[in-house]
Amino acid sequence: ELKVEQNPLFLSMQEGKNYTIYCNYSTTSDRLYWYRQDPGKSLESLFVLLSNGAVKQEGRLMASLDTKARLSTLHITAAVHDLSATYFCAVDGPRTQGGSEKLVFGKGTKLTVNP
Amino acid sequence: ETGVTQSPTHLIKTRGQQVTLRCSSQSGHNTVSWYQQALGQGPQFIFQYYREEENGRGNFPPRFSGLQFPNYSSELNVNALELDDSALYLCASSLGGTGTTYGYTFGSGTRLTVV
Repeated sequence: ELKVEQNPLFLSMQEGKNYTIYCNYSTTSDRLYWYRQDPGKSLESLFVLLSNGAVKQEGRLMASLDTKARLSTLHITAAVHDLSATYFCAVDGPRTQGGSEKLVFGKGTKLTVNP
Repeated sequence: ETGVTQSPTHLIKTRGQQVTLRCSSQSGHNTVSWYQQALGQGPQFIFQYYREEENGRGNFPPRFSGLQFPNYSSELNVNALELDDSALYLCASSLGGTGTTYGYTFGSGTRLTVV
């Protein structure tokens, strides 16, 4: 069974600091996704990583993928308060008996950026 | 281009009742997946509909059922509600039964509370 683990689950940091969120998954997967979720809101797509060594950046966030290590990182540079949210990684799970793809999510990392 | 819309946004039901949640997929998308997100957890895959048929299901009992209509909109039905069904229900649309390069588009969710 595919398992996705994120750490840390809770992260409190000061504005201006850097930090990395880690996402490990237990079996081979074709794609890895990062999402952001604000309290009571839906999931906002941040990055889709498709291949080993993929790196994508948007503003203060940078995501990378190492398929051999089954590891993705989400690096936060010079954090600002507006980045406070819960961040989820997800991977394409094994196809169901019906043939559909499904996302398997980690538990999420709740990030709080303090002024 | 419209995004994914879900209705209602909030719902309170009594244990044992039945509920129907609705989702309109993003324009151009023909696949709808439903996820359940309990408080403080990552979303869990319920099932997926493609071309009006269920083509994959997660570990949810048969009292969770769904429909997809010719316009690709979808319904999630839950019978005999239990307290543990209280959660945020997310609908995600995609193209062709697989995630696109851009991933899935999630709706804003329906918050269901069972009392």
